[in-house]
Amino acid sequence: NAGVTQTPKFQVLKTGQSMTLQCAQDMNHEYMSWYRQDPGMGLRLIHYSVGAGITDQGEVPNGYNVSRSTTEDFPLRLLSAAPSQTSVYFCASRIQGSTDTQYFGPGTRLTVL
Amino acid sequence: SQQGEEDPQALSIQEGENATMNCSYKTSINNLQWYRQNSGRGLVHLILIRSNEREKHSGRLRVTLDTSKKSSSLLITASRAADTASYFCATAPTQGGSEKLVFGKGTKLTVNP
Repeated sequence: NAGVTQTPKFQVLKTGQSMTLQCAQDMNHEYMSWYRQDPGMGLRLIHYSVGAGITDQGEVPNGYNVSRSTTEDFPLRLLSAAPSQTSVYFCASRIQGSTDTQYFGPGTRLTVL
Repeated sequence: SQQGEEDPQALSIQEGENATMNCSYKTSINNLQWYRQNSGRGLVHLILIRSNEREKHSGRLRVTLDTSKKSSSLLITASRAADTASYFCATAPTQGGSEKLVFGKGTKLTVNP
């Protein structure tokens, strides 16, 4: 299994541009989520999904959009990039059952100029 | 809002010594998890302790949980240079479950050879 994969690894945007961060998992996990990590901070939840067709907001959802059309994919869209969205973005998925372990992707480092 | 707060923010020890990191949180939880993040990488799940458990072991890791004090500790025994990483606690609040894991800011551990 490849686990959780994210593309791209690095991205530079100009203010106002839009883009989609890709996340895919091949573990058939129902639960997927997006976090952002800023220097000296822990991870903050942006959006999450408990299954295909179901999404919900996390702690910092403004400026981001998600959809979940398949179990495998959970893209994160930046609608109009702002410098405040410069961060490292992590996608994670969770196995069903009681273990509650989250599996993280390698991250996307985004810079907005 | 950050639920978990790790202490200390940074810790530097010699190889072979034990490393102890603490985590405090604010609301009632279903479980508390510890993750490791090597520089530039995603987070890796280390251990999970449920609210009805007081202590858990996994290899060189020992985690304790005191729900009355809303605190947890992670002990790494006989540390190795490869343990150098940032360590995060994450809590699964009773309301919202593990879909809304809340991460602390982390403890940066350096193990000197």
